[in-house]
Amino acid sequence: GENVEQHPSTLSVQEGDSAVIKCTYSDSASNYFPWYKQELGKRPQLIIDIRSNVGEKKDQRIAVTLNKTAKHFSLHITETQPEDSAVYFCAASLIFGNEKLTFGTGTRLTIIP
Amino acid sequence: KAGVTQTPRYLIKTRGQQVTLSCSPISGHRSVSWYQQTPGQGLQFLFEYFSETQRNKGNFPGRFSGRQFSNSRSEMNVSTLELGDSALYLCASSRGTGGTVETQYFGPGTRLLVL
Repeated sequence: GENVEQHPSTLSVQEGDSAVIKCTYSDSASNYFPWYKQELGKRPQLIIDIRSNVGEKKDQRIAVTLNKTAKHFSLHITETQPEDSAVYFCAASLIFGNEKLTFGTGTRLTIIP
Repeated sequence: KAGVTQTPRYLIKTRGQQVTLSCSPISGHRSVSWYQQTPGQGLQFLFEYFSETQRNKGNFPGRFSGRQFSNSRSEMNVSTLELGDSALYLCASSRGTGGTVETQYFGPGTRLLVL
């Protein structure tokens, strides 16, 4: 089955700096890659996603890049703010009709004021 | 639209008991997936239901089961509870009909503690 690895497990950055989280996946048939943010005691919330026919997607301070050949994708957060502190999960999913999300192990991001 | 809702939010059970958790998807969503979240294992897929049928299943023992009703609401059941079943159980819904994998929206979860 699919396996998703996520690094680093913890990340601390100064407020205003950029943060990068990286994930690799094993199944080349995976074609949908969402990123979720989970604050303490709350539900995971989608922050951005990318499909395999796109190499990069950006939404304000958040961007995701996908390298299908290398089977890895990354989350980039620029101009970090204290409210960006949370646990971030990457995930991968196969084709339509197989809605299973395989998650990475999460990255605890701490923004230092 | 109202988001995904789950009941109850918290549960305390003892070993050997069984438990039923409920999930109401976003209106119009027909796919409901269940995940178990623990500090040690992270987020793991349990199963997915679409149009009252289990469409996908994760690697959990048969003590974990689920069903979906005609209004897309879903329940999951865990029988013969073990201490290791203590976890946050999350459900997520998506339209499931768009012809491509779609965004899954999560509910707040049910936190189960097994004593």
